[in-house]
Amino acid sequence: GAGVSQSPSNKVTEKGKDVELRCDPISGHTALYWYRQRLGQGLEFLIYFQGNSAPDKSGLPSDRFSAERTGESVSTLTIQRTQQEDSAVYLCASSSQRGGPGEQFFGPGTRLTVL
Amino acid sequence: QKEVEQNSGPLSVPEGAIASLNCTYSDRGSQSFFWYRQYSGKSPELIMSIYSNGDKEDGRFTAQLNKASQYVSLLIRDSQPSDSATYLCAVNSYSSASKIIFGSGTRLSIRP
Repeated sequence: GAGVSQSPSNKVTEKGKDVELRCDPISGHTALYWYRQRLGQGLEFLIYFQGNSAPDKSGLPSDRFSAERTGESVSTLTIQRTQQEDSAVYLCASSSQRGGPGEQFFGPGTRLTVL
Repeated sequence: QKEVEQNSGPLSVPEGAIASLNCTYSDRGSQSFFWYRQYSGKSPELIMSIYSNGDKEDGRFTAQLNKASQYVSLLIRDSQPSDSATYLCAVNSYSSASKIIFGSGTRLSIRP
């Protein structure tokens, strides 16, 4: 079956531009997570969705970051006025009700480079 | 103190030996523990989960949990070059049940 997909796979942008990253979770997975991973670093939690609502946005680094999820499916992460420190791989993961939050399936990531 | 701590490595182990990866966590209320493997340039994938004290075996992998010591480990027997990867320990957040906290990972290198 289809796994988690993310687009674009790579994004190069200029400082100050806005970017939108997309995540398609596994069909039927109710929970969706966004993480950021800088080169050589661990996973930094950004936000998670249960259905279409976001009970925990505590990881969003600043008000330039926002995310939404619609139809209990696709999610978009938007970064406004990008800065060079936003350069990283952005990973999306989903999990099912049955598997619980620990059994997350990850997408291939979007590598964001801000020049 | 970090919520989930791991030695960053690299940990170098000869092929065929046992690799031992360790993780400590700070939240005494945590109940669920996970090991993810991340190959270079790839996304993490779940390899083991453990929920109660003791050992859990799956093939060449054994997860060990000691809640009293707030310690979880992963043993890899008969290490193969294909086991070379970064291993991430993850622990559920007691305060936010639908969230897990990842450690920064231990880089494991299996030398032929």
